[in-house]
Amino acid sequence: SSELTQDPAVSVALGQTVRITCQGDSLRNYYASWYQQKPGQAPVLVIYGKNNRPSGIPDRFSGSRSGNTASLTITGAQAEDEADYYCNSRDSSGYHLVFGGGTRLTVL
Amino acid sequence: QVQLQESGPGMVKPSETLSLTCSVSGGSINSDYWGWIRQAPGQGLEWIGYIYYSGTTSYNPSLKSRVTISVDTSKNQFSLKMSSVTAADTAVYYCAREVDYYDTRGYYSYNRFDPWGQGTLVTVSS
Repeated sequence: SSELTQDPAVSVALGQTVRITCQGDSLRNYYASWYQQKPGQAPVLVIYGKNNRPSGIPDRFSGSRSGNTASLTITGAQAEDEADYYCNSRDSSGYHLVFGGGTRLTVL
Repeated sequence: QVQLQESGPGMVKPSETLSLTCSVSGGSINSDYWGWIRQAPGQGLEWIGYIYYSGTTSYNPSLKSRVTISVDTSKNQFSLKMSSVTAADTAVYYCAREVDYYDTRGYYSYNRFDPWGQGTLVTVSS
């Protein structure tokens, strides 16, 4: 089991807003990074830290944190956003890294 | 820009040692951390460990007894060895650069894995 907990699946209507969450005690001390993975491809960084987007990532992706929960929000979801999303941070010991179990996003 | 490429055998026999190498191009390995992550078929991502260019390492506690990560700065490469493999170690293995960020007090705040290699499938089978 992972120290970072994600909902296994989330769906959103095309053009609507969706929030993908990641819960864990370590998130009270550390920010998460978020990765998008499409079938057969390597993960791609979409958000890191408080709310930083790498170049090339659309501004409809944003990140936030409240208490022990980190969130990835997609405002105006597009068909190409359908993918698995993983959060990552340090574990509760602070010495090791851990990934959440992943959330499969379906765009209806 | 920095690019990473995994290489190594696609099949390993049970109880033997899995060996993979990640070649870094477009930049020097003499900075940041360099990590390995794996993904079993149909499963999520699992952090294996990382190495700093100076040789400092950190491993997933669940794999620590079987894993060694090393770096060869002269070749701009880092490597993964995992001993006593079983079918449960069948996975796509990714290498990635890890960058850590610290707050104004100097405490770790967050990280990012970027870029990633394309991944290489390793099957454990006799």
